[in-house]
Amino acid sequence: KAGVTQTPRYLIKTRGQQVTLSCSPISGHRSVSWYQQTPGQGLQFLFEYFSETQRNKGNFPGRFSGRQFSNSRSEMNVSTLELGDSALYLCASSTGPKETQYFGPGTRLLVL
Amino acid sequence: GQQLNQSPQSMFIQEGEDVSMNCTSSSIFNTWLWYKQDPGEGPVLLIALYKAGELTSNGRLTAQFGITRKDSFLNISASIPSDVGIYFCAGHPSMNYGGSQGNLIFGKGTKLSVKP
Repeated sequence: KAGVTQTPRYLIKTRGQQVTLSCSPISGHRSVSWYQQTPGQGLQFLFEYFSETQRNKGNFPGRFSGRQFSNSRSEMNVSTLELGDSALYLCASSTGPKETQYFGPGTRLLVL
Repeated sequence: GQQLNQSPQSMFIQEGEDVSMNCTSSSIFNTWLWYKQDPGEGPVLLIALYKAGELTSNGRLTAQFGITRKDSFLNISASIPSDVGIYFCAGHPSMNYGGSQGNLIFGKGTKLSVKP
């Protein structure tokens, strides 16, 4: 069974731009969670989607948003990028909320 | 954001040595998970624990879900060079944990390196 896939793997943007990251969960998994990982803050929860509905949201500004499609694929969007948004963005999928999560390889975003 | 207390922060291993790391919380957790992350990759699930007192092995790795449900440890026996990396504990809190009800909370990681 294929694992979680994330695209793109690497991205360079400039301040003020916006970015969209994509995540395809493991086949049969309906829950997708997004995390931001930085050296200083570690892994921080962004949001969780299940059956196209956002179930939980972490403590991030409104510039961070996401959505989930009917095929469980998910996208996250960051608008008006800031230097501090440079991070590894990880997507994890599970069969449902509070079930064991399996991570993708991440998208490394660099904001210049 | 809320994080678990994971220790040690870093350690050096020599091939063949046993390694221990642990994670503690002030709140009760329903699950404990241990992940390993290699540079440039996402965390890979090593062991998942679902019941207090549960002791589970995965090859040379052994992890336990603490009886109090507030801690977990991971042991690696007879370490080998490919064990280097960052190990994270994570768990689902049983109650609202700093506003993160239902979310997976992570420790800051234990970095394993090879002794020079």
